[in-house]
Amino acid sequence: QQQVKQSPQSLIVQKGGIPIINCAYENTAFDYFPWYQQFPGKGPALLIAIRPDVSEKKEGRFTISFNKSAKQFSLHIMDSQPGDSATYFCAAIRNSNYQLIWGAGTKLIIKP
Amino acid sequence: EPEVTQTPSHQVTQMGQEVILRCVPISNHLYFYWYRQILGQKVEFLVSFYNNEISEKSEIFDDQFSVERPDGSNFTLKIRSTKLEDSAMYFCASSDGARNEQFFGPGTRLTVL
Repeated sequence: QQQVKQSPQSLIVQKGGIPIINCAYENTAFDYFPWYQQFPGKGPALLIAIRPDVSEKKEGRFTISFNKSAKQFSLHIMDSQPGDSATYFCAAIRNSNYQLIWGAGTKLIIKP
Repeated sequence: EPEVTQTPSHQVTQMGQEVILRCVPISNHLYFYWYRQILGQKVEFLVSFYNNEISEKSEIFDDQFSVERPDGSNFTLKIRSTKLEDSAMYFCASSDGARNEQFFGPGTRLTVL
């Protein structure tokens, strides 16, 4: 119930392609879903986040799609660049507490 | 741009020794967190701290762990008697609201030998 399942574990995409990373959850008490980007040797940095009252949110080249009924959400990166190569984590937080519950992470490589 | 800082960047210690990991959260933030990430695994919540007390902790955060805000700027994580399995990257985070964006520091890599 506390888990967030993330797939794929790793992804290689050609420059300009659209990598898609998927996450699923069980706990309907989750009400905030951030995506974090982590470069080697750095801490996670918030990329974009969504609440379940909207089905899509776009910030620059990054888009979250949210399907409340299916309890799934995904990250799309438009016009991907080699600089987007990083590990991406989805996460969720319940409406009653403070802790982020993390997905396992997706290592994304964008080939030039 | 304000950022969360952590020291040291890498700590090597012998099993059974005490370690203190230090964090300086963003200055106007009121909520503080510790997470850990064992190499190759997911990030795990340890503890959240607000108003000088623990607001929430995970099962990982047992009696060997403690947190403190000794002054107006530092936030520390102490591990009393380290075990091999405590080897991980420890991230500090802070936020200006209970359910607002958490900003992460660069992490401290703890290696227990």
